[in-house]
Amino acid sequence: AQSVTQPDIHITVSEGASLELRCNYSYGATPYLFWYVQSPGQGLQLLLKYFSGDTLVQGIKGFEAEFKRSQSSFNLRKPSVHWSDAAEYFCAVGSLILTGGGNKLTFGTGTQLKVEL
Amino acid sequence: DAMVIQNPRYQVTQFGKPVTLSCSQTLNHNVMYWYQQKSSQAPKLLFHYYDKDFNNEADTPDNFQSRRPNTSFCFLDIRSPGLGDAAMYLCATSRWGASTEAFFGQGTRLTVV
Repeated sequence: AQSVTQPDIHITVSEGASLELRCNYSYGATPYLFWYVQSPGQGLQLLLKYFSGDTLVQGIKGFEAEFKRSQSSFNLRKPSVHWSDAAEYFCAVGSLILTGGGNKLTFGTGTQLKVEL
Repeated sequence: DAMVIQNPRYQVTQFGKPVTLSCSQTLNHNVMYWYQQKSSQAPKLLFHYYDKDFNNEADTPDNFQSRRPNTSFCFLDIRSPGLGDAAMYLCATSRWGASTEAFFGQGTRLTVV
């Protein structure tokens, strides 16, 4: 069964500093990987996704992520963090549900980002 | 804008009193999902519909049911809510397949008193 590990529960960075959020996955086949962001009391917004091709993917709000198959990782990065980036970030792996035709997302436990002004 | 809308945003229900949460979409996606997210935890898939075909996750309690009367709407019914069912419930939609992204609604925060 697939699983996702986000080793950092909380991260605090200063505004303007760079950011890297770690994500490791376990999946038996080619993974479909996602990063979502969740502001307090809100739903999930997709930041970026990796399906195939270029291992460095660009997303919204200046985020990017790099897929490294050898390390089973899909770390999220941003060169300069803004105060509005404070939120919870979830990494997820998608797998086709063979019996139902949907796409099951298995999420990590999330990383809470705090931005100091 | 095409989107996924959940109503209500906040729901308070009494212990044991049936409650229904609703979700609508304008994306015309054929797959709709319900996720449960308890406080400080990751979202967990309860079940999903592919068109009218209902697919339950193996560990979803019988207390949770769902209805999808048409492509646009999907409902989550909790027959006898317990205190442990207090959570954020997230509705999502997607096209068929693993290499498609899911679009989430804003969620319904359920409180059980």
